[in-house]
Formats: sequence, C-alpha cells, structure tokens
Amino acid sequence: GQQVMQIPQYQHVQEGEDFTTYCNSSTTLSNIQWYKQRPGGHPVFLIQLVKSGEVKKQKRLTFQFGEAKKNSSLHITATQTTDVGTYFCAGFGGTASKLTFGTGTRLQVTL
Amino acid sequence: DSGVTQTPKHLITATGQRVTLRCSPRSGDLSVYWYQQSLDQGLQFLIQYYNGEERAKGNILERFSAQQFPDLHSELNLSSLELGDSALYFCASSVGAVGEQYFGPGTRLTVT
Repeated sequence: GQQVMQIPQYQHVQEGEDFTTYCNSSTTLSNIQWYKQRPGGHPVFLIQLVKSGEVKKQKRLTFQFGEAKKNSSLHITATQTTDVGTYFCAGFGGTASKLTFGTGTRLQVTL
Repeated sequence: DSGVTQTPKHLITATGQRVTLRCSPRSGDLSVYWYQQSLDQGLQFLIQYYNGEERAKGNILERFSAQQFPDLHSELNLSSLELGDSALYFCASSVGAVGEQYFGPGTRLTVT
C-alpha cells in the first residue's frame, strides 16, 4: 500500500534557526496536505499543494511539491517557540482513495 | 476551535469491554474520518464516511465498526477491547469526499 515517510523524525533547533522537514511518498500523489499538531492538541490543516513543482508561502513557512509529485517539503525560516509541534504531511493518490499521513516530524524550539 | 466536536473527552474502561465514541462534524461537512493515534505515533486512518456511506477504509480492526447517521454525526464502536487499543481517537470532517480536514479535540481511550 501507499507509504508516506518523513525525515527527520525529530529536530531540536535554537530560536531563529531555520527548519526543514521532508516528505516522501512511495507512489505519485494527486495532492499533498500539511498539518501541524501542537503538544496535547489536534492536527490543524496548514495548506494543500496540487500542482507539480508548486511552491506556496505562509509568512515564514514555505511549502513545496516535487516535480514528480512524490515528495514535498516544509521550510520554516527563523523559527519561533510558537512553531513547536509535530508537522505531518498527508498525501492523496495512488490506488487508495484516502489520505495517507506521513510519520511526522517533531520540532522542538528553545531560546 | 475547529467546529468538530467529540465526546467523551476521556474514557477509561477494562479489557473485553465495548465503547462508543461520538463525533459531530462541522456544519455543512459531509465527510467524517476516524483516526487512531497511539503514544508518540502518527495518525492511523481507520475509516471515512461520506454523506452516510462508507467511502474508504484503512487499517480498521474487525473489532471496530463505525457508522454515519442521517444527521451526519458519526459513531465509532470499539469492542473486545485490548490494552493495545489505548490511544487518542480523532474524528475529522471535510466538506467533500476529499480536501482539507478539520480535526476534533479527540477522545483519549485508556484500556486497563
């Protein structure tokens, strides 16, 4: 079945440093979504990418969808303590008519 | 607040028992999804209903079942509970059959 992996599993940065998480799918995706889950909270939708090579920005967050539509990345510039949480990518596509969540990257930011 | 409500917030029960988790989607959303999240684990998709019909199935155990009612709320039934079923169960909803999902606060199930 479709598998979606994320790296790294965990990253600890100092506030102000940049952060990137990478998402790789075993199959071609029709779209990819990103979610953030704060500690003790529920996942919150951030963005959806649909087109090959698409790049979208939300303030300090930059999302990219690969040309082959099998990978994606989320880059945070100048992290803040409010960025703490686990970031999940979720891909829709292949033979499965369902969203497959990635394994998640937990981000810790300290002063 | 996502607009998705889940009850109860916490549930403690014994092995072998049966429980029902309830979810009310956002107003206007036709799809309801159920996910299981174990400690420090990712989100495991269980099942999706769209406008009352089962649309997609994930790794849902045979001991688990779900349904979506005419008013679009959904229930997840977990039976013959085992210790390993202890987890956070999230419900999510979306407007259509696909698209961005809005998650509820979750139900934390503890099986002792």
